Amino acid sequence: AQKITQTQPGMFVQEKEAVTLDCTYDTSDPSYGLFWYKQPSSGEMIFLIYQGSYDQQNATEGRYSLNFQKARKSANLVISASQLGDSAMYFCAMREGLEGYQKVTFGIGTKLQVIP
Amino acid sequence: DAGITQSPRHKVTETGTPVTLRCHQTENHRYMYWYRQDPGHGLRLIHYSYGVKDTDKGEVSDGYSVSRSKTEDFLLTLESATSSQTSVYFCAISGGPRGYTFGSGTRLTVV
Repeated sequence: AQKITQTQPGMFVQEKEAVTLDCTYDTSDPSYGLFWYKQPSSGEMIFLIYQGSYDQQNATEGRYSLNFQKARKSANLVISASQLGDSAMYFCAMREGLEGYQKVTFGIGTKLQVIP
Repeated sequence: DAGITQSPRHKVTETGTPVTLRCHQTENHRYMYWYRQDPGHGLRLIHYSYGVKDTDKGEVSDGYSVSRSKTEDFLLTLESATSSQTSVYFCAISGGPRGYTFGSGTRLTVV
């Protein structure tokens, strides 16, 4: 079974609108972390947001928020007020474990295009 | 924040030749990782290191070897490059609870 599933290969959003990128995960480890990374066309991987499995509140970082629904094993990224610079690939990732080697698994990504 | 650098940034090589990619960190992190990125696959772990001379395989380790003789350097070697190893390679270090810090990537083309 896939550890991280991103079912949207590509998404379009109008500038200034909000957009939700879907991510579901699968783990039996009670301690895990969920991440979103952005990869613009220049190629670098940029950390956006983190949610721990024991965190009670949804994580927020500026215009980014993570809609964490633990029972449904989903960790969707919400980008508010989209900007042209948000056009990029977005990867959801999960880290399992807290100590020592922490295995991180990535989804296949979603390509977001912001339309002026 | 250039705590992790990769070299070279781009490389074109011929099938059957050996290739070594270098990752250098200045953060003194114990864990270092090599990933490859391919369309439709996301990032897949090749090898990782948990200390000097301590390495282990990831999910796509066939055809690759690694070495770590110093904390700051983690080398990825393709012993005999094949076209299927054409990819973008990322090195990463553990960034604590906020996840990885990635290098800028190496685009490798095997012709």
